[in-house]
Amino acid sequence: QSVLTQPPSVSEVPRQRVTISCSGSSSNIGNNGVSWYQQLPGKAPRLLIYNDDRVRPGVSDRFSAAKSGTSASLAISGLRSEDEADYFCGAWDDSLGAPVFGGGTKLTVL
Amino acid sequence: QISLEESGPTVVKPKQTLTLTCTYSGFSLNSFGQGVGWIRQPPSKAPEWLALIYWDDEVRYSTVLNDRLTITKDTSKNQVVLTLTNVSSVDTATYFCARSETTGCFDYWGPGSLVTVSS
Repeated sequence: QSVLTQPPSVSEVPRQRVTISCSGSSSNIGNNGVSWYQQLPGKAPRLLIYNDDRVRPGVSDRFSAAKSGTSASLAISGLRSEDEADYFCGAWDDSLGAPVFGGGTKLTVL
Repeated sequence: QISLEESGPTVVKPKQTLTLTCTYSGFSLNSFGQGVGWIRQPPSKAPEWLALIYWDDEVRYSTVLNDRLTITKDTSKNQVVLTLTNVSSVDTATYFCARSETTGCFDYWGPGSLVTVSS
């Protein structure tokens, strides 16, 4: 059971926009920066977003993120087949004194 | 450029100790704010954070596995070592090491090392 809650899967057709949610609490998302990672099959996670909404240099500007209270979201616009991957959110948890991850969301580009 | 790479056994017997080494380059673990962490991911499951070691020797462990984990660093070799004692089948996973420069965020990851616990 992951500390951060994500939907198991989302799907959308190419060229459309999709949003992935991440829900936490005041001890993690509510008080610390959120990160988002993309994991292609058989690969290591790759950092896309840090500090809630900062797009990592070199990452496509089709990726954006936002946070409100204890929830965060990742948006991908202009969907492409190569965006098909697992996406994880992460944040520091003050109560645990540790980084925590979401359960991951599998994005399918139809 | 920054890179990390995990190394260690691919198969470990139950009740044995797993030792994994992360060899990094492109940054100094002696520099303020730098950290290296270990994260594992069982097949088709979410990542699970295990341990972190910081530039100032501060260490943090998962509360779930705290009594089984040890993380150390050797900056002369640019290596971070993780040991996990008394392994069982539930410890079968891909183990990643990753750099942490921002609290709770891992910006560079190694390719991962698949470890199977089997007799």
